[in-house]
Amino acid sequence: EAGVTQSPTHLIKTRGQQATLRCSPISGHTSVYWYQQALGLGLQFLLWYDEGEERNRGNFPPRFSGRQFPNYSSELNVNALELEDSALYLCASSLRGTGFNSPLHFGNGTRLTVT
Amino acid sequence: GESVGLHLPTLSVQEGDNSIINCAYSNSASDYFIWYKQESGKGPQFIIDIRSNMDKRQGQRVTVLLNKTVKHLSLQIAATQPGDSAVYFCAENPSGTYKYIFGTGTRLKVLA
Repeated sequence: EAGVTQSPTHLIKTRGQQATLRCSPISGHTSVYWYQQALGLGLQFLLWYDEGEERNRGNFPPRFSGRQFPNYSSELNVNALELEDSALYLCASSLRGTGFNSPLHFGNGTRLTVT
Repeated sequence: GESVGLHLPTLSVQEGDNSIINCAYSNSASDYFIWYKQESGKGPQFIIDIRSNMDKRQGQRVTVLLNKTVKHLSLQIAATQPGDSAVYFCAENPSGTYKYIFGTGTRLKVLA
């Protein structure tokens, strides 16, 4: 069974540009979570999608947005990039998104570098 | 955010020894806990989980202990190997929520 896949692996952008990151969950998983992992910090929750809907978002500005497609894959968009957006962006999927004791399974992330 | 890290503690262990990694969780309403391993350049990898109706759970070479009284979680790795070198962090899931709150992690270094 294929795990969570993310693309691209690395992304270099300049300040002010937009970045699009993609994620394919494990087959059968309907929930997708996005996290930011900056150097020296833990995983910061960004967004949660389940069954095509945004269910909740973390404490990030509106320029961080995304969507989930009918096949449950997901896209994270970051507009007006700032230097501090440089981080590893992790996508995770789970079988259910209702907190019923289901572990998150992570991809290997997209390393975004903003120059 | 809910998980803020200012310093990543490091645990150095001799190859073959047992390792114990600790985690203090924050929410008394959490009823599900997970340990992850993150190697350099990779995403977090699920190791083992435990529900709050249990105090201990064993996997292959790993044991998780849960002390709800003091909100403490530990991961024990038996006969630590070089391949165990990584950052380990715990996650808690408050009951009935979507949330997964992550600890900042502990770096495990295995000395040959």
